[in-house]
Amino acid sequence: GENVEQHPSTLSVQEGDSAVIKCTYSDSASNYFPWYKQELGKGPQLIIDIRSNVGEKKDQRIAVTLNKTAKHFSLHITETQPEDSAVYFCAATPRTGRRALTFGSGTRLQVQP
Amino acid sequence: GAVVSQHPSRVICKSGTSVKIECRSLDFQATTMFWYRQFPKQSLMLMATSNEGSKATYEQGVEKDKFLINHASLTLSTLTVTSAHPEDSSFYICSARSTWQGPSGGSSSYEQYFGPGTRLTVT
Repeated sequence: GENVEQHPSTLSVQEGDSAVIKCTYSDSASNYFPWYKQELGKGPQLIIDIRSNVGEKKDQRIAVTLNKTAKHFSLHITETQPEDSAVYFCAATPRTGRRALTFGSGTRLQVQP
Repeated sequence: GAVVSQHPSRVICKSGTSVKIECRSLDFQATTMFWYRQFPKQSLMLMATSNEGSKATYEQGVEKDKFLINHASLTLSTLTVTSAHPEDSSFYICSARSTWQGPSGGSSSYEQYFGPGTRLTVT
């Protein structure tokens, strides 16, 4: 089955700085890679995703890059704001079957004002 | 769009009783819904895949007789925790993937949208 590793587990940045979170996956059949933001006591919120046929996707201050050969993908947040503070999860899902998500272990991002 | 609701948001029950949690897709149809469990400061662990009109698929180590799943319609899945014990206390979260009928048959999106979660405390 799929295994997703995520680093770092915690990340503290100053407001306005950039934050980068990295994930690796094991199953070469995976082709969809979403990122979720989870605030305390709430369900995960989809913030950006990428499919294996593209290498990069950007949405305002958030971008995701994918390296299929190396089987890793990254989340980039620029000009961080205190409201970006949350736990971020990466995930991977295969092209076929149930297409269930396999989650990384999460990154707790703290943006210091 | 793509809103998923869960009810209740929080429940406290006594050991040995059963608790039902509802998951609804409010503005889309979902042939497939997923149930996750999340312990404090941990990641989401998939418990089971709920399929409309058929039996759920459980992950290894999840007792199907303890965690009953019913997916009665394209917008509703329920998870019943039977004979709950304190170790079942957790945050239960559902997700749904939108489904539609294309010209060549059914299809579903990649995106999964999550509900707000249900905090279960068993005393």
